[in-house]
Amino acid sequence: SQQGEEDPQALSIQEGENATMNCSYKTSINNLQWYRQNSGRGLVHLILIRSNEREKHSGRLRVTLDTSKKSSSLLITASRAADTASYFCATAQNRDDKIIFGKGTRLHILP
Amino acid sequence: DSGVTQTPKHLITATGQRVTLRCSPRSGDLSVYWYQQSLDQGLQFLIQYYNGEERAKGNILERFSAQQFPDLHSELNLSSLELGDSALYFCASSRTGGLQPQHFGDGTRLSIL
Repeated sequence: SQQGEEDPQALSIQEGENATMNCSYKTSINNLQWYRQNSGRGLVHLILIRSNEREKHSGRLRVTLDTSKKSSSLLITASRAADTASYFCATAQNRDDKIIFGKGTRLHILP
Repeated sequence: DSGVTQTPKHLITATGQRVTLRCSPRSGDLSVYWYQQSLDQGLQFLIQYYNGEERAKGNILERFSAQQFPDLHSELNLSSLELGDSALYFCASSRTGGLQPQHFGDGTRLSIL
């Protein structure tokens, strides 16, 4: 079964606007990671946030983590056409040595 | 470029056949992971190898098997293929264990006719 569930499933916004995607998970985690997948390509790691961190930044990306609510959000500021992709959250649990991916959010940036 | 190489990029075969997908991990990475991505099931973890040994198993069918060789490249073998096996198969690698970021290849697109 999926550990992470992204919301929304799909999102269309105008170029220059901010895009927010959410991820909820079910069990305690060691860390949570966000990945991007361009159409037909492999996933690319964007950012990792550990369970004892609340917020992390990387360029135009901002990730928050609320372990009490078992949720995370990915904010992309000042979106660009090149940000059009699917975005996946993945959770790493302490109990086993693998990460579990959600089904992703499809982001479409309109010109 | 992630540094992970997968071959072939595309594979078309018939039901009942057997295929082998190959993956070369990023230089220095000891762990290799295999995933299946289809439209209705999302990205499904199949199996992980670490330095030649099986480390974790996911939703891998008995018809599928994998191994990691001493030079750390890995192969995923799919046999008795069914129409439902049509999917993108990804290999990923990481330095050591599963808690670290993974680096993905561009996948092998398998089409079963």
